[in-house]
Amino acid sequence: DIQMTQSPASLSASVGDRVTITCRASQDTGYSVAWYQQKPGEVPRLVMHYASSLQRGVPSRFSGSGSGTDFTLTISSLEPEDVATYYCQSYVNARSIAFGQGTRLEI
Amino acid sequence: QVQLVQSGAEVKKPGASVKVSCKTLGYTFTGYYMHWVRQAPGQGLEWLGRINPNTSNADWPQKFQGRVTMTLDTSTSTAYMELTRLTSDDTAVYYCVRDAVKWGNWFDPWGQGTLVTVSS
Repeated sequence: DIQMTQSPASLSASVGDRVTITCRASQDTGYSVAWYQQKPGEVPRLVMHYASSLQRGVPSRFSGSGSGTDFTLTISSLEPEDVATYYCQSYVNARSIAFGQGTRLEI
Repeated sequence: QVQLVQSGAEVKKPGASVKVSCKTLGYTFTGYYMHWVRQAPGQGLEWLGRINPNTSNADWPQKFQGRVTMTLDTSTSTAYMELTRLTSDDTAVYYCVRDAVKWGNWFDPWGQGTLVTVSS
């Protein structure tokens, strides 16, 4: 089974900072990685798919990159409402659907 | 507007089973995989499996083999997930989640979640 490893596990940054979260897959996933944002007490929300395709309605300060085994989610200028836990997810096929353990982002 | 509306919270004893329902609205039920994801208190997300509403074929990780069953009622556009032989490790919020695009295997939207508590 595929393993998704995120780093760091937690991160503290300031408003306006550029923030990068990394996700590494244990096997090649092509571009089949999505990212989710989960604010405290809320349901997860899709942010990105196909590694770099921004979900409709998500602010353009969010961007994604990567392919194969290494992926990143970047927030270009951190806003207070971005405080959340972020999860990557692989989805090449049914045997490779898995989440990373999450990165907790604080201000 | 696509909506996934889940059944209410459950409290179960160890060894029991739980069945969670997910009523869908606003789209063609047979057009998208339905997945189930859970989140233990303070923990991350875990994929439980998916079901194809066209064929009723389901896939799930080996970890849940023999314990999870996913079914459908196409007449009411409702999906069900049953988990048996519950232990305290199964205490979690269980979400039904739809493919964001047909057969895509990434998730949007999400149901509101169903808290399942396993306690003696």
